[in-house]
Amino acid sequence: DTGVSQNPRHKITKRGQNVTFRCDPISEHNRLYWYRQTLGQGPEFLTYFQNEAQLEKSRLLSDRFSAERPKGSFSTLEIQRTEQGDSAMYLCASSSTSGQPEQYFGPGTRLTVL
Amino acid sequence: AQSVAQPEDQVNVAEGNPLTVKCTYSVSGNPYLFWYVQYPNRGLQFLLKYITGDNLVKGSYGFEAEFNKSQTSFHLKKPSALVSDSALYFCAVRVYNNDMRFGAGTRLTVKP
Repeated sequence: DTGVSQNPRHKITKRGQNVTFRCDPISEHNRLYWYRQTLGQGPEFLTYFQNEAQLEKSRLLSDRFSAERPKGSFSTLEIQRTEQGDSAMYLCASSSTSGQPEQYFGPGTRLTVL
Repeated sequence: AQSVAQPEDQVNVAEGNPLTVKCTYSVSGNPYLFWYVQYPNRGLQFLLKYITGDNLVKGSYGFEAEFNKSQTSFHLKKPSALVSDSALYFCAVRVYNNDMRFGAGTRLTVKP
């Protein structure tokens, strides 16, 4: 399967701990996006990469959040000093600049902060 | 600001009946509009999009959507609903920097 993959699928952590999530996009896609989804809401944009460059960051992305895409392939999203309000589903998506504009989503990482 | 609204939190239909899930948009310029479906504990699956051209666009699983510029709407439709169509549906618009703004979602329940 060549879809978007995310790891881990579930993460339970204690408040104050750091967590890191990984996203592997569709191989030929050069754009990669991170979204956060809370219960009963649609996904909210966090940040976006084109190749290795981080081109946009939402105001939702506090200083405790950092994302990287060092080689323009996979990406990581790190949350430092987690808070209970960080509990959510974190979704990754990818798309191509040369193809169709729709984004393809991974299965998500569900974070629970105790 | 670019945004979409889904006025119904919940839509209930009987299997075999037609279904409509509503979406209205607010954009400057020509909109890129999308519909996605989400099953429990899963990511979003792309259903269809409108970029330009015919106002009626066809997508996956027998779904279609009608773009109406005068009413700023992009309603999702299916002529005959299946129980397996029960899921959460999201309308979205692509904004200038290529990310997307999603509606709050509509939960579709198809009863046998």
